[in-house]
Amino acid sequence: QKEVEQNSGPLSVPEGAIASLNCTYSDRGSQSFFWYRQYSGKSPELIMSIYSNGDKEDGRFTAQLNKASQYVSLLIRDSQPSDSATYLCAAPSPRGSDYKLSFGAGTTVTVRA
Amino acid sequence: DGGITQSPKYLFRKEGQNVTLSCEQNLNHDAMYWYRQDPGQGLRLIYYSQIVNDFQKGDIAEGYSVSREKKESFPLTVTSAQKNPTAFYLCASSIEGTSGVAYEQYFGPGTRLTVT
Repeated sequence: QKEVEQNSGPLSVPEGAIASLNCTYSDRGSQSFFWYRQYSGKSPELIMSIYSNGDKEDGRFTAQLNKASQYVSLLIRDSQPSDSATYLCAAPSPRGSDYKLSFGAGTTVTVRA
Repeated sequence: DGGITQSPKYLFRKEGQNVTLSCEQNLNHDAMYWYRQDPGQGLRLIYYSQIVNDFQKGDIAEGYSVSREKKESFPLTVTSAQKNPTAFYLCASSIEGTSGVAYEQYFGPGTRLTVT
């Protein structure tokens, strides 16, 4: 089982719609979760962090965490063409005595004008 | 401006040559990381370091080497033993985590290495 899995996509949504991205993680001890946005040819950029169960909103982005189901999601409301990118989910995984981030393979989102 | 710098942005090398990629951060982070990204794929951890003069292998360390002589710097050498070195290389840094918590990593702009 992969440490972090994302819905594979690609995901195509019309401008103004909601894009919904999903991610599951394998380690029940994980406490911190992140969403990164990566434009083609560029490095990942952190867009959301979430540590507690429930929803966290930041502008048009909402992260949702359910630790019992080991599930974290990202909603992009009022999607814009500038949101077209690959979105990476990251969660801690144990490595020896430490936890280090593991990244999902990413979901590519295309927003159609 | 606080951040992570990587150089060069593009690097071309002939097969059989070692090459060193630079990574510098001024965020005062203890932990630094090197990832490799191949087209259409996620990030794979090569090496990481939690403290000066110490580093650990990640998932794909074979054919790579690193050093951490200063807190700010974590250079990666791609050796001739690395069978498929052409890739996008990303350096990142973070503050150190605790049990179950790994804090956000911040990435440099990356180095695109092409070996022919």
